[in-house]
Amino acid sequence: EAAVTQSPRSKVAVTGGKVTLSCHQTNNHDYMYWYRQDTGHGLRLIHYSYVADSTEKGDIPDGYKASRPSQENFSLILELASLSQTAVYFCASSDAGNQDTQYFGPGTRLLVL
Amino acid sequence: QQQVRQSPQSLTVWEGETAILNCSYEDSTFDYFPWYRLFPGESPALLIAIRPVSNKKEDGRFTIFFNKREKKLSLHITDSQPGDSATYFCAASDDYAQGLTFGLGTRVSVFP
Repeated sequence: EAAVTQSPRSKVAVTGGKVTLSCHQTNNHDYMYWYRQDTGHGLRLIHYSYVADSTEKGDIPDGYKASRPSQENFSLILELASLSQTAVYFCASSDAGNQDTQYFGPGTRLLVL
Repeated sequence: QQQVRQSPQSLTVWEGETAILNCSYEDSTFDYFPWYRLFPGESPALLIAIRPVSNKKEDGRFTIFFNKREKKLSLHITDSQPGDSATYFCAASDDYAQGLTFGLGTRVSVFP
């Protein structure tokens, strides 16, 4: 049974619209992360969280907000979607921070038109 | 500036050959280097990892060679199989930052 799930699995959004990507984990992990994958850029960290009700900026946070309402759930919010945010978004969780195995979700393919 | 660099971008080998994937890094504070593998349509998954206290880590057909002085490491896939065809990401982290810094990945294709 998948321990990190994401929804939706794919989405088409319009420029300027609001997009919310959701992530749910049943690993009982404290740490959760949002990455985006683009051709030519690998995986880049957007936001992360190590405790409920708290989020931290990653390497490329501009244009994104994050929300961690509970240990299990971590959302990524694009308030004003832009063409440049077309990418595959991966959520991940880990038990003990950045030097522990990260378990990734299946990804959300976002296309902004 | 890319903190973690990988080469080559893509690599094609025949079944049974050894695939060698290279990785280098900038930040001397990095002290944990995992390799993640991504099959098309699936999630990245940890393959093997090394810490600088070791210069070699082996797990079956996968071996990491690590050179701390030169800030380089490599992943060797011996006896490559078609099922090894995937994108391999080198990553790095330290005690100060959360999350992983990934390289751009190396796409490996193994032909029978």
